[in-house]
Formats: sequence, structure tokens, C-alpha cells
Amino acid sequence: GESVGLHLPTLSVQEGDNSIINCAYSNSASDYFIWYKQESGKGPQFIIDIRSNMDKRQGQRVTVLLNKTVKHLSLQIAATQPGDSAVYFCAENRNTGGFKTIFGAGTRLFVKA
Amino acid sequence: NAGVMQNPRHLVRRRGQEARLRCSPMKGHSHVYWYRQLPEEGLKFMVYLQKENIIDESGMPKERFSAEFPKEGPSILRIQQVVRGDSAAYFCASSLTTGTSTDTQYFGPGTRLTVL
Repeated sequence: GESVGLHLPTLSVQEGDNSIINCAYSNSASDYFIWYKQESGKGPQFIIDIRSNMDKRQGQRVTVLLNKTVKHLSLQIAATQPGDSAVYFCAENRNTGGFKTIFGAGTRLFVKA
Repeated sequence: NAGVMQNPRHLVRRRGQEARLRCSPMKGHSHVYWYRQLPEEGLKFMVYLQKENIIDESGMPKERFSAEFPKEGPSILRIQQVVRGDSAAYFCASSLTTGTSTDTQYFGPGTRLTVL
């Protein structure tokens, strides 16, 4: 079935290194993608988004890359900090009459000091 | 400038009881979404509501679950005759605009339901 999935369930990086979290999606009709960060015991927090007419978007220390050819999305975090430790979800908005957001399973990022 | 508010934060119910989860969207937001999350899993869409209307309930179980977003007051997710499998975190999100694909959803802190 259609899904948004992640390649790696956990990622461990050294503080100060760059992190790359990957995501594969299967619905070629999706036109909007979002990355969320979820810390333990909290709700998902919006990080960055990208429309399907773009292939790259940058925020503060974060960059999202979209490759529509292979249906791949990635989140890059520069100079990873301990506060970046969390679960990261990619999500896509699909037009279902309203716009349903479909979440992937998540990648847990551990930042080692 | 309050964000999305959910209460209670933790709810314990015995099998067969009813659970009522409340969500107050961000100020000015008229679109509300409910999601369910099991431990170590992603969020699963349940229902999308606007004021007094259910827009998409394709993720809602057919029985025991209902949702509403009245003209006044918070959105309510109601689970009747709860079973242990209903134990999960339930998140509410709200968005501002007209339901286009690029609406950003802002999430509340969630309600953690435990069914004994």
C-alpha cells in the first residue's frame, strides 16, 4: 500500500557532526512534505517543509532535499547538538477531499557528547 | 499566544468506560485534526474537522469512536466502551487556512490514554 517510510530506525551521531535522516515515499501525487521533531512526552514540532516544485529548502541549521525521481526526502541537520536528540518524522499531505497528513514511522536521533 | 491545548494530559480508564479527550486549537485556527500514536510508532491520522463539520474521518474506527468540533468550545474525541487496545497517545493538531495541501499543522502535547 501507499506509505511514507524511513530507511533507518535509529541514528547516532557525534555532537558537532552533521546528521542526515532519510525518508522514502510512494505516492507520486503528494505535493507537500513536512519534517517534524518529536521529543519524549511531547507533540510533534514542525521543523521545515517543502513543496513538490522545489528540490531544496534551507532553514536554520536544517536543510530538506526532495528527489521526486526516486521519491526520496532527506533532512540534514548541521552541527548536531544534544538538543537535537529526538524522533524525526517525515510526513506528506495528500488530497483526500481534505488534506490528510501521512506520517512515516520515525527515526530516533541520538547525539553523543 | 497559546498553542494547541489538550486535556487531560493523562487519562486512565477501565475497560468499558468512556474516554473524552479535548482539544482547543490555536487562536484563529478553524481546522482540527486528530491522530493516534502507539509507542515507538508514527502518528496515524484519524479525523479532520472544521467547525461543525467532519471533513475526513477515514482513519476513525467504525465503532465506538466519534469526534466533533462544535461552533463554540473545544473539539472532542470520544471513545465509548474502551478496550485495552485503545491505550495510546492521542494528538490533536490545528491549522489556520482553508485546507490546502500546504497548511502547516501545529500539534498539542497529546493525551495519554491508559485502559486498565
